[in-house]
Amino acid sequence: QSVLTQPPSVSAAPGQRVTISCSGSSSNIGNNFVSWYQQFPGTAPKLLIYDNYKRPSGIPDRFSGSTSGTSATLAITGLRTGDEADYYCGTWDNSLSDVVFGGGTKLTVL
Amino acid sequence: QVHLVQSGAEVMKPGASVKVSCKASGYTFNSYYLHWVRQAPGEGLEWMGVINPGGGGTAYAQKFQGRVTMSVDTSSSTVYMQLSSLRSDDTALYFCAREALPYEYYFDYWGQGTLVTVSS
Repeated sequence: QSVLTQPPSVSAAPGQRVTISCSGSSSNIGNNFVSWYQQFPGTAPKLLIYDNYKRPSGIPDRFSGSTSGTSATLAITGLRTGDEADYYCGTWDNSLSDVVFGGGTKLTVL
Repeated sequence: QVHLVQSGAEVMKPGASVKVSCKASGYTFNSYYLHWVRQAPGEGLEWMGVINPGGGGTAYAQKFQGRVTMSVDTSSSTVYMQLSSLRSDDTALYFCAREALPYEYYFDYWGQGTLVTVSS
């Protein structure tokens, strides 16, 4: 059972927009920065978003992040088949004194 | 460029210990904390702990306290993660990851992963 809650799967057609939610609490998302990662099967995660909405160099602006209260959202626009992957949110939890992740969301581009 | 290169796959018996290495290059080794994250087959990411290569200080996830030991060899820019009393549910892909900024808790570079299989 993950501390952060993500939908197991989302899907959308190529070219469309999709959002992935990440729900937490005041001990984590409510008071700490959120990051997002993209992971293809059998490979290491790749940083997509940090500090809630910032993109590392090389990450296209099709990927965006936002937060509101104790929830975070990753949005992907102009979907491509190459975006099919698992997506994870992560942050620090003040009560657990642990880094915590969501359970992951599998994106299918139909 | 930054690289984190991990040791190869391991097959271990239940009750044994495993030690996985992560060799860093391409940046000032002492200046960035290194974390360990694992992923069981078909499951999500699970944080295990962090080590400060500069001073050797560590912090472990509550779940692994007493079973995990993280260490560093600054002469070779390598960090190690040892997990003891292995069980079948420790079978997972183990990653090291660099924390981009202290106390920001996001990871900008990752190792390729080390598969640890625990089986009798």
